[in-house]
Amino acid sequence: QSVLTQPPSASGTPGQRVTISCSGSKSNIGSNTVNWYQQLPGTAPKLLIHSNNQRPSGVPDRFSGSKSGASASLAISGLQSEDEADYYCASWDDRLIAWVFGGGTKLTVL
Amino acid sequence: QVQLVESGGGVAQPGRSLRLSCAASGFTFSSYGMHWVRQAPGKGLEWVAEIRYDGYNKYYADSVKGRFTISIDNSKNTLYLQMNSLRAEDTAVYYCARDPGFDTWGQGTLVTVSS
Repeated sequence: QSVLTQPPSASGTPGQRVTISCSGSKSNIGSNTVNWYQQLPGTAPKLLIHSNNQRPSGVPDRFSGSKSGASASLAISGLQSEDEADYYCASWDDRLIAWVFGGGTKLTVL
Repeated sequence: QVQLVESGGGVAQPGRSLRLSCAASGFTFSSYGMHWVRQAPGKGLEWVAEIRYDGYNKYYADSVKGRFTISIDNSKNTLYLQMNSLRAEDTAVYYCARDPGFDTWGQGTLVTVSS
């Protein structure tokens, strides 16, 4: 049972916009920033969004992040086949004094 | 370019020890905090430990507290994870990642705990 809650799966067709949610609590997302990671099959995770909504250099602007209260979302617009991957959210938890990850969302491009 | 390369994984019996290494290059290692994150087969990511850039402040997941120790050697640009009293549930790919925000990851090293 992960501290941050994500839907186990999501799907969309090419060109569509999909969103992935990440629900936490006051001690983590409610008090700290959220990062998002993309893990392509068989590879290491890659930072996709940091500080709630900031894209590192090289990440397409099709990817965007937002946060409201103790929840966060990752949006992917103009869905492409290469976006098929697992996506994870993460945040620092002030009560646990630990980093916490969501359980991950497997995105399928139909 | 910024690069992290893990090593030291392998097979260990329950109760035994292993030490993982993470060799860093392409950045000023002593200026960054570092993490270990693991991923059990077919499962999600689990944060394991963090060492702040000063090398003194360390944080651990409850699942490894008292058994694992994170450390750094700035002269070798290397991060370590000493894993003692290994359990079957420690079986995972172990990644090192750079702070802030796990912005760079290594390729991972597989640790299998089995008798």
